[in-house]
Amino acid sequence: QVQLQQSGPGLVKPSQTLSLTCAISGDSVSSNSAAWVWIRQSPSRGLEWLARTYYRSKWYDDYAVSVKSRITINPDTSKNQFSLHLNSVTPEDTAVYYCSRATYNGYLDYWGQGTLVTVSS
Amino acid sequence: DIVMTQSPDSLAVSLGERATINCKSSQSVLFSSSNKNYLAWYQQKPGQPPKLLIYWASTRESGVPDRFSGSGSGTDFTLTISSLQAEDVAVYYCLQYSDTPKYTFGQGTKLEIK
Repeated sequence: QVQLQQSGPGLVKPSQTLSLTCAISGDSVSSNSAAWVWIRQSPSRGLEWLARTYYRSKWYDDYAVSVKSRITINPDTSKNQFSLHLNSVTPEDTAVYYCSRATYNGYLDYWGQGTLVTVSS
Repeated sequence: DIVMTQSPDSLAVSLGERATINCKSSQSVLFSSSNKNYLAWYQQKPGQPPKLLIYWASTRESGVPDRFSGSGSGTDFTLTISSLQAEDVAVYYCLQYSDTPKYTFGQGTKLEIK
């Protein structure tokens, strides 16, 4: 059974960096048959895909155009986890952030518990 | 990007009755090479992450009750709950994964008891 455990602060000041981590159990971040994804949810934007990382003989990553200039997703094989870093945050980045596993075929099957991140001074 | 539009936005159904939620994509999510529709359905209860119910438009995830079913192809899809139970009160979302990694979700349909 795959489990994803999220950690990170719930409050970030404007212009600072939002950082979250997703620890994986029951699978490997280096799996050749999965990808690892960050998604956020807010009343104004709904469910919004942000970033993806996966390993297929080498590491790949993809980012949503809306955040591409501000975002990084990083796998950590030593801890079997992956992280999200979103810099220069504004109140519009306030949302519940989820990590998720994408199957080889693409659909999202397992999700972290979610982290409410509020951007406020 | 593929736009997913659900209808209705909210729905009230009596216990034991059928609930039907629709999802329309702005372009086809059917891959002719595999004859598979890259469309999934999720259930989300307050304070919880979305839970996968259906993938490939009609394949039920393991452990999902058989009162949940999915149908449709191309651009038009339906999630049906054959006999509504109290525990089915939730928001339901469709997701297209044909254009990965640019996943897009519908806006959600809130299902309540009448």
